[in-house]
Amino acid sequence: GAVVSQHPSRVICKSGTSVKIECRSLDFQATTMFWYRQFPKKSLMLMATSNEGSKATYEQGVEKDKFLINHASLTLSTLTVTSAHPEDSSFYICSAQEGSQYEQYFGPGTRLTVT
Amino acid sequence: DAKTTQPTSMDCAEGRAANLPCNHSTISGNEYVYWYRQIHSQGPQYIIHGLKNNETNEMASLIITEDRKSSTLILPHATLRDTAVYYCIVRGDNQGGKLIFGQGTELSVKP
Repeated sequence: GAVVSQHPSRVICKSGTSVKIECRSLDFQATTMFWYRQFPKKSLMLMATSNEGSKATYEQGVEKDKFLINHASLTLSTLTVTSAHPEDSSFYICSAQEGSQYEQYFGPGTRLTVT
Repeated sequence: DAKTTQPTSMDCAEGRAANLPCNHSTISGNEYVYWYRQIHSQGPQYIIHGLKNNETNEMASLIITEDRKSSTLILPHATLRDTAVYYCIVRGDNQGGKLIFGQGTELSVKP
């Protein structure tokens, strides 16, 4: 299957700082990328959908000013957690697809710990 | 999106077939059934998807009932590495590709 990478795989940051997570599709052009968050022992929760060149669409309850998403090219989307707090500690996962009729491929996830 | 119902957990003996059921009684005509799995602390992995007909690939088989209200994912010869949470998701072509995850089935393959 197609390969999606995320960087970093783990990050620890101090409360109040911002953290950027990158998501790349390595062998295909992703018209759409998705960002999910997963708390321990819970399922994945969709945060937002981003299409290349346009603003992201956020799910209800997700603050767009706190979770900034930039889908600058067909192979790269970034999620920036601004002014992080301990409750933002979570496993953040991205996925990418070539088109809405294609399967999504997921990245390996980024473990964020805010101290 | 149509909702799915899956058992919370299942056990399977190594080398035997694992049959994971999923109910999706409110599925619409244009919605596909997708299966993903997530091994602990990794991103989900695509397994298979189908609309009406049964599907098979190198990983698994997907059996969809004639009324499309339920399906079964079959791992023909389960190995210890198949221990994971398996998610059954229905998705329509006109939903922008969004996948909405339920709680899934935690499959434990035991020696």
